Amino acid sequence: QKEVEQNSGPLSVPEGAIASLNCTYSDRGSQSFFWYRQYSGKSPELIMFIYSNGDKEDGRFTAQLNKASQYVSLLIRDSQPSDSATYLCAVNTNAGKSTFGDGTTLTVKP
Amino acid sequence: NAGVMQNPRHLVRRRGQEARLRCSPMKGHSHVYWYRQLPEEGLKFMVYLQKENIIDESGMPKERFSAEFPKEGPSILRIQQVVRGDSAAYFCASSSNQGVRTEAFFGQGTRLTVV
Repeated sequence: QKEVEQNSGPLSVPEGAIASLNCTYSDRGSQSFFWYRQYSGKSPELIMFIYSNGDKEDGRFTAQLNKASQYVSLLIRDSQPSDSATYLCAVNTNAGKSTFGDGTTLTVKP
Repeated sequence: NAGVMQNPRHLVRRRGQEARLRCSPMKGHSHVYWYRQLPEEGLKFMVYLQKENIIDESGMPKERFSAEFPKEGPSILRIQQVVRGDSAAYFCASSSNQGVRTEAFFGQGTRLTVV
């Protein structure tokens, strides 16, 4: 079992729809959770982080964390073609070291 | 994040040569992390360094790979006697502290190609 697992994708949604990206993790000691966006050939860009159970909203992005289920998700409302990218889930258990999932590729179709 | 500077952006090496990848963290950051990303895969942790110290090298291959972060100057990831399987994107990230609730910011990466 991978430490951090994401939907294999690819995920395709029409413009304006809600995109839902999911991530599960195996280490119950994990304390902080991050979502990065990575465009093809570019570096990861931090878009959301969440530490506590529940929802955290930032603009069109909502991160959801359920530590009991070891599950974290990212919702993107009103998806735009510019949101088309690979989304990486990362989990910190120990200091600043992150364990990443393999990513989910999202395509938003105009 | 433009604040973390990596160079070179692209590096081509022949099999058996050495590759040196450099990373200058964001101003005020003293913690550096190196990750490797193979094509179509996620990022894999390699090593975590503070100034003059290796904190966690659990992701480093046992041979040919080494890393340092001297008191002065950038962090260096060194790969000796490169092989084709070393071809990947190598990303450096930096943070201002070591707490588990630490946001790390990535450089643009060095894309290593071994021919």
